[in-house]
Amino acid sequence: AQSVTQPDIHITVSEGASLELRCNYSYGATPYLFWYVQSPGQGLQLLLKYFSGDTLVQGIKGFEAEFKRSQSSFNLRKPSVHWSDAAEYFCAVGVKAAGNKLTFGGGTRVLVKP
Amino acid sequence: DTEVTQTPKHLVMGMTNKKSLKCEQHMGHRAMYWYKQKAKKPPELMFVYSYEKLSINESVPSRFSPECPNSSLLNLHLHALQPEDSALYLCASSPLSKAIYNEQFFGPGTRLTVL
Repeated sequence: AQSVTQPDIHITVSEGASLELRCNYSYGATPYLFWYVQSPGQGLQLLLKYFSGDTLVQGIKGFEAEFKRSQSSFNLRKPSVHWSDAAEYFCAVGVKAAGNKLTFGGGTRVLVKP
Repeated sequence: DTEVTQTPKHLVMGMTNKKSLKCEQHMGHRAMYWYKQKAKKPPELMFVYSYEKLSINESVPSRFSPECPNSSLLNLHLHALQPEDSALYLCASSPLSKAIYNEQFFGPGTRLTVL
């Protein structure tokens, strides 16, 4: 069965600084990978996804992620964080063979210092 | 229309009440999902409907009763809930194609509080 690990439960970053959120997955074949953001009291918003092709994926709100097969990772980055980026971030892996089931990581809470 | 809509946005109910959550999509998707999300936790899959038939029930208590009356509509009927059932309930839909990965599209959720 697939699994997703987000090693960092909390990350605090200063406004304007860069941000990197880690995501590691466990799955035998090429997974379908997603990053979602959730602001307090809100639903899930898709930031970006990787299905195939270029391993560097651009998303909304200035985010990007890089798929590294050798490291089973799909880390999310943003060069300069804004206060509005404070939220919970979830990495997820989708597996077609498992009925398109989505498996989520535990999430990383990002706090932004002024 | 590329949205999944959910009503109501917020719901407060007592433990003896009966209420329903509604989810709607007009993207022609033939799979629909219910998730439960507790605070500071990832979403947990509850039910999946494929072609209006229940295909997955993740051992959810019977006080939660899903219904898919047509391909655009998904309901979750609630009865005799417990305070620990308070959570954000997310609906999602996806295509059902054998050729591609069927990405799920999420609604904004219904925040449920059980008193």
